[in-house]
Amino acid sequence: DIVMTQSPDSLAVSLGERATINCKSSQSVLYDSIAKNYLVWYQQKPGQPPKPLIFWASTRGSGVPDRFSGSGSETHFTLTITSLQAEDVAVYYCQQHYSSPYTFGQGTKLEIK
Amino acid sequence: EVQLVESGGGFVQPGGSLRLSCAASGFTFSSYWMYWVRQAPGKGLEWVANIKQDGSETYYVDSLKGRFTISRDNTKNSLFLQLNSLRAEDTAVYYCARDVGRIYNYGALDYWGQGTLVTVSS
Repeated sequence: DIVMTQSPDSLAVSLGERATINCKSSQSVLYDSIAKNYLVWYQQKPGQPPKPLIFWASTRGSGVPDRFSGSGSETHFTLTITSLQAEDVAVYYCQQHYSSPYTFGQGTKLEIK
Repeated sequence: EVQLVESGGGFVQPGGSLRLSCAASGFTFSSYWMYWVRQAPGKGLEWVANIKQDGSETYYVDSLKGRFTISRDNTKNSLFLQLNSLRAEDTAVYYCARDVGRIYNYGALDYWGQGTLVTVSS
């Protein structure tokens, strides 16, 4: 199984500042033939289901604000939130869908400092 | 508007069974792979099972094989998860979710239901 490890486990950032969350996979999730990383970022607010933010490591989902961006390839990925807003308080998960079982990171809790 | 609405959760004793349902609307249900994902209280997300459009292929996380069964009824736009031999560690919110790809199974999930809570306790 591919193990997904996020860092940090929790993060406190001031409003308007940048938040960076990292995700590392135990093996590459890049499909070379189509040059796509099979990596998704989700946002989960309390009492709500996860909401997809970023597909294919760097493609924002429909309606996702452009302050959210994803980067990285193969085994190292980053979710960046520029200019943090109060509504961004949530737990963020990465997930690989390169091979079954599709596994999630343990989550990173983002709070306001 | 895509909607996924789970039902069937509840309180059950260890060794018991439950059948979860997910009613889908707002899209062509029969064109998508569908998933169940669960989340234990205060914990992270765990993929449970997925099923092909016509039900001919199903996949499960190894730790659950033999106890859980995923199925679907395309005539009723519904997804199901049969949970048998339940254990305390199966206590979780169970989410129904849709694959992002129409036709292909990508394993990325673009729509999720609100979830249904299963509590296993004596």
